[in-house]
Amino acid sequence: QKEVEQNSGPLSVPEGAIASLNCTYSDRGSQSFFWYRQYSGKSPELIMSIYSNGDKEDGRFTAQLNKASQYVSLLIRDSQPSDSATYLCAVRTSGGSYIPTFGRGTSLIVHP
Amino acid sequence: GAVVSQHPSRVICKSGTSVKIECRSLDFQATTMFWYRQFPKQSLMLMATSNEGSKATYEQGVEKDKFLINHASLTLSTLTVTSAHPEDSSFYICSAGGTSGGYNEQFFGPGTRLTVL
Repeated sequence: QKEVEQNSGPLSVPEGAIASLNCTYSDRGSQSFFWYRQYSGKSPELIMSIYSNGDKEDGRFTAQLNKASQYVSLLIRDSQPSDSATYLCAVRTSGGSYIPTFGRGTSLIVHP
Repeated sequence: GAVVSQHPSRVICKSGTSVKIECRSLDFQATTMFWYRQFPKQSLMLMATSNEGSKATYEQGVEKDKFLINHASLTLSTLTVTSAHPEDSSFYICSAGGTSGGYNEQFFGPGTRLTVL
């Protein structure tokens, strides 16, 4: 069974700090990795996708992928109170199916 | 990213009625659409996956006769909650994905909040 694990949190960081969110997955055949942000009462919003080992940066966000260790992380630099949300990790294996497996999400609280 | 719309955004209905929710991919052709349900403070629960022109694949425990899914075109999927009951009250979210147009990600609609009285 494919599993995607995230610490539910909440992860609390002060404004301006780096928030580090982690995700591990069980399926070694996984090829695509995604981070979504979900504000309370809203639907998830795609913020990052990563497909190869290493780092991928987009503004204040950096996704890190290590397939050998089967983990993917999201770093948020200069955290702002508006970053307070639940962050969902999603993992998809290769092939024709687009069914991703979602983690339960990590709640992030950025306090002023 | 791609835009996915969902209608209605909020619906309140009486127990026993049926409710139809539409999901549209506005700027790309979605080969696959997904329907999720999310209860307050809980994680996303995948209900079913649908491919254009074929029957939906339902997750274990989801009643296919109660949650009717139609994926008539590459841009439209509908979810009908038949004979809704209060326990069906939830946040229903669709998403669309596909390689057409170069998109390899999955994009979510804004969701429909269903309240059954």
